[in-house]
Amino acid sequence: DGGITQSPKYLFRKEGQNVTLSCEQNLNHDAMYWYRQDPGQGLRLIYYSQIVNDFQKGDIAEGYSVSREKKESFPLTVTSAQKNPTAFYLCASRTGSEQYFGPGTRLTVT
Amino acid sequence: KQEVTQIPAALSVPEGENLVLNCSFTDSAIYNLQWFRQDPGKGLTSLLLIQSSQREQTSGRLNASLDKSSGRSTLYIAASQPGDSATYLCAVDYGNKLVFGAGTILRVKS
Repeated sequence: DGGITQSPKYLFRKEGQNVTLSCEQNLNHDAMYWYRQDPGQGLRLIYYSQIVNDFQKGDIAEGYSVSREKKESFPLTVTSAQKNPTAFYLCASRTGSEQYFGPGTRLTVT
Repeated sequence: KQEVTQIPAALSVPEGENLVLNCSFTDSAIYNLQWFRQDPGKGLTSLLLIQSSQREQTSGRLNASLDKSSGRSTLYIAASQPGDSATYLCAVDYGNKLVFGAGTILRVKS
């Protein structure tokens, strides 16, 4: 089955700790994206990558970092510099005009 | 600034009703527009994609229209069912990114 996997589904961390969210795809898509979703708001773009070893900041990149060493993988690190990290994080990949989304990771920082 | 607005924010209807969800966008220089469905705590599922040159797309009981000049799209759901209950998100593609509306929460009562 082709698709996008995100792990874990739920993640809990203490304030001040960095945490890395996993995103893997076997769709052979070049472009991958990370979004953040907060209650009552639309998805907001954090980072995106059009090709391996290259990525660009989205609208809300502060406090986040990414890497794209392999086509299949696009991990997102939420650093201690992110002021409000508790949110639902969605990874997506794209072919042509359509984006395909993973199931999401809910991060709670206390 | 590229903004997407969805009206209404929430909608509750009895089973069997036809309904319309609205999406408006400020920048009409779009590549395409995509409607997604999101179930609670889950990722996004693509419902319909309308290219900028198209006026509408249909899939089963769903019909989406696009009026690029006025910056509007509608999603029409015919003969609604309880299984249609979800959040519906409109996303406008500007080439390098999608801009999302906040969504319409739909509840179909049996």
